[in-house]
Amino acid sequence: AQTVTQSQPEMSVQEAETVTLSCTYDTSESDYYLFWYKQPPSRQMILVIRQEAYKQQNATENRFSVNFQKAAKSFSLKISDSQLGDAAMYFCAYRSYQGAQKLVFGQGTRLTINP
Amino acid sequence: DADVTQTPRNRITKTGKRIMLECSQTKGHDRMYWYRQDPGLGLRLIYYSFDVKDINKGEISDGYSVSRQAQAKFSLSLESAIPNQTALYFCATSDFYLGQETQYFGPGTRLLVL
Repeated sequence: AQTVTQSQPEMSVQEAETVTLSCTYDTSESDYYLFWYKQPPSRQMILVIRQEAYKQQNATENRFSVNFQKAAKSFSLKISDSQLGDAAMYFCAYRSYQGAQKLVFGQGTRLTINP
Repeated sequence: DADVTQTPRNRITKTGKRIMLECSQTKGHDRMYWYRQDPGLGLRLIYYSFDVKDINKGEISDGYSVSRQAQAKFSLSLESAIPNQTALYFCATSDFYLGQETQYFGPGTRLLVL
């Protein structure tokens, strides 16, 4: 079974600075998808970014980018120019390309933005 | 209007009571999911449905049942609620096309079982 590990329960960053959230995963599959979701205090789960394992190019969405290292099974999220609205829980998630295709989530990282 | 809605948003119930959580979506997606989130943990899958006639158990289905009444509606039931089912429950939908899929979540239902 696949597992996802986020080793940083909490992180903090100064507004306008850059922060990187770590995620590692364990799988024997070669095709899969990886996601970062954001959960603000409103509780809504919001998709931040997705990465297909077959793509070598790292995904980017405005101030959010990932560093996908397939061999190391690492999938970190970099947030540039941090804003107060970025404060939230961030969850890394894995989904198989085939089979049940359910999302497997990490434990989450709580990100605090200091003004 | 939100694409994925959940009712109720908050619910307090007593041990042994039957309770139903409802999810509706206007995205036209075939796939729907129910997840549970406990404090300090990520989401865990309870049940999922790939179409109206397809229901599958997730990793923590014991004590829960579901009903897919239509493409747009997927309900989660606790037949006899117990305190360790106190959690935040999320419904999600997705559309799978040419190997591409992203799940979109509802706002969550916070359930307290006394």
